[in-house]
Amino acid sequence: AQTVTQSQPEMSVQEAETVTLSCTYDTSESDYYLFWYKQPPSRQMILVIRQEAYKQQNATENRFSVNFQKAAKSFSLKISDSQLGDAAMYFCAYRSALASGSRLTFGEGTQLTVNP
Amino acid sequence: ETGVTQTPRHLVMGMTNKKSLKCEQHLGHNAMYWYKQSAKKPLELMFVYSLEERVENNSVPSRFSPECPNSSHLFLHLHTLQPEDSALYLCASSQAQGSQGTDTQYFGPGTRLTVL
Repeated sequence: AQTVTQSQPEMSVQEAETVTLSCTYDTSESDYYLFWYKQPPSRQMILVIRQEAYKQQNATENRFSVNFQKAAKSFSLKISDSQLGDAAMYFCAYRSALASGSRLTFGEGTQLTVNP
Repeated sequence: ETGVTQTPRHLVMGMTNKKSLKCEQHLGHNAMYWYKQSAKKPLELMFVYSLEERVENNSVPSRFSPECPNSSHLFLHLHTLQPEDSALYLCASSQAQGSQGTDTQYFGPGTRLTVL
């Protein structure tokens, strides 16, 4: 079974600074997808970024980028120029590519605080 | 309406009540999911429906009964719940594209359930 670990329960960053959230996972599969979701106080789960394991290039979405290290099974999220609206719980998630409609396995989350 | 909607947003029920949670997706997706989010625990997958057939049931107690009448609607029928069932229940949908689809899941805002 796959597992996802987020070792930082809480992180904080100054506004306009850069912060990196860590995520590691365990799998025996070679083809899979990785995601970062953001859950603000409204509790709406919002997709931030996704990465296909077969792609070597790290995914980027505006101020959000990932450092995907397949051999190390590491998938960290970097938030540049942090904004107050980035404050939220961030979840790393794994999905097998073996079958569509399959489950997302989530980490326990990292609570990000952005200080003005 | 756009995206994934859930009703009600908040629900308080007694242990002997029967209630239903509703999810509707407006994204043209063909797979829908129920997740449970309890305090200080990772999101747990409960059920998966793909093309209106239940393809996964993650050892959920029978007091939770899902129903997927069509690809746009998903229900979770609740009866004789326990206080430990109090949680945020999240619905998600995705477009299953076969074994190679990215199948990104998009979430609704959730229903906050309290069982007294």
